[in-house]
Amino acid sequence: KNQVEQSPQSLIILEGKNCTLQCNYTVSPFSNLRWYKQDTGRGPVSLTIMTFSENTKSNGRYTATLDADTKQSSLHITASQLSDSASYICVVTPSGAGSYQLTFGKGTKLSVIP
Amino acid sequence: DTEVTQTPKHLVMGMTNKKSLKCEQHMGHRAMYWYKQKAKKPPELMFVYSYEKLSINESVPSRFSPECPNSSLLNLHLHALQPEDSALYLCASSQGGGMGYGYTFGSGTRLTVV
Repeated sequence: KNQVEQSPQSLIILEGKNCTLQCNYTVSPFSNLRWYKQDTGRGPVSLTIMTFSENTKSNGRYTATLDADTKQSSLHITASQLSDSASYICVVTPSGAGSYQLTFGKGTKLSVIP
Repeated sequence: DTEVTQTPKHLVMGMTNKKSLKCEQHMGHRAMYWYKQKAKKPPELMFVYSYEKLSINESVPSRFSPECPNSSLLNLHLHALQPEDSALYLCASSQGGGMGYGYTFGSGTRLTVV
């Protein structure tokens, strides 16, 4: 069964600090992995997308890594801001006929405090 | 235009009402999706339209009726809903043809059934 596991479930950090969120997946065959940021009551907003051959991708203060061999990904947030408080969701897309069937992690709820 | 636009943003309806949710994209995407998301849970796929044809119906009750009038528009008609149907309804689109390229979510409609 395709699964995406995220850790930690929740995280509280001080403004200006860095943090790293983890994602492990069992989706196969694999097409791509996305990290989304979702504010409460709003739709997910894409931060990064990585395919099988990509190891690292950055988007401003967000840097995602992917190890397709161990099926692990991480999202590193640098110099956190209060506006980074949100849920961060790891989403994996399979390849082939089932590519519309995204597998979502349950998310990491990040709280950035002053 | 790189957005998926959903209207209304908020909707309160009685159990005997009929209402519709609307979704629009102008990215040339040929696959469109409806998701339901309960609080603190990942989105659950409801329907998939591919090239304006309903290709996936994830055993959704008939009180939810999707419609795709053209390649840019997707509606979700609601009738005789139950309080447990209260949730965030997300629309998404992608380039279609597999691989889920360009997968983009709308900002959602927060639905409350009273």
